[in-house]
Amino acid sequence: EVQLVESGGVVVQPGGSLRLSCAASGFTFDDYTMHWVRQAPGKGLEWVSLISWDGGSTYSADSVKGRFTISRDNSKNSLFLQMNSLRTEDTALYYCAKAFGYSYGLGIDYWGQGTLVIVSS
Amino acid sequence: SYVLTQPPSVSVAPGQTARITCGGDNIGSESVHWYQQKPGQAPVVVVYDDSDRPSGIPERFSGSNSGNTATLTISRVEAGDEADYYCQVWNSSSHHSVFGTGTKVTVL
Repeated sequence: EVQLVESGGVVVQPGGSLRLSCAASGFTFDDYTMHWVRQAPGKGLEWVSLISWDGGSTYSADSVKGRFTISRDNSKNSLFLQMNSLRTEDTALYYCAKAFGYSYGLGIDYWGQGTLVIVSS
Repeated sequence: SYVLTQPPSVSVAPGQTARITCGGDNIGSESVHWYQQKPGQAPVVVVYDDSDRPSGIPERFSGSNSGNTATLTISRVEAGDEADYYCQVWNSSSHHSVFGTGTKVTVL
């Protein structure tokens, strides 16, 4: 059974930093592209970042580029999101998500339950 | 940046057909994926690669994609289909994934 378990969400002050983690199990982690997707309270889904199966390629939304960094450790079946220079508008539930395969154009077949990040003074 | 536009809401009576559109510039050249999200839950894929259904998704869910519009069709709508629905594409020119604005389906 595929499982994605996020952790690391907390309340942080504007300008602060945070590292989210996602522990993956139930599939061969290094065969798949992985995503972070967020959802602000009462709002729609927003794609945040993507990383290739080997970590060699990463892409991020313009809203987080230069502030957030996606990474993975295939030896530990783990996905990460380093979040710097946090803003109040980054407040959201952050989902770790698995793609159908290694191609970037594939959809997402599994989602975690999310970890809540609140940016507030 | 690439934008996907969906109607904010669609209302449909039980047993009828709901159609949710997703508009984007030349979206027909991209693979479109559709997700259902119920309150307090993570999204679930209902259609991927324009028209394929994952195992466990009823045949009542179908998709099409051509020109500037992709469509998710829910036939014989049931009360349990009430949810928010989002389309998604990978825009190869911008190297960004994009979600649509979302559509709330209400079963009357």
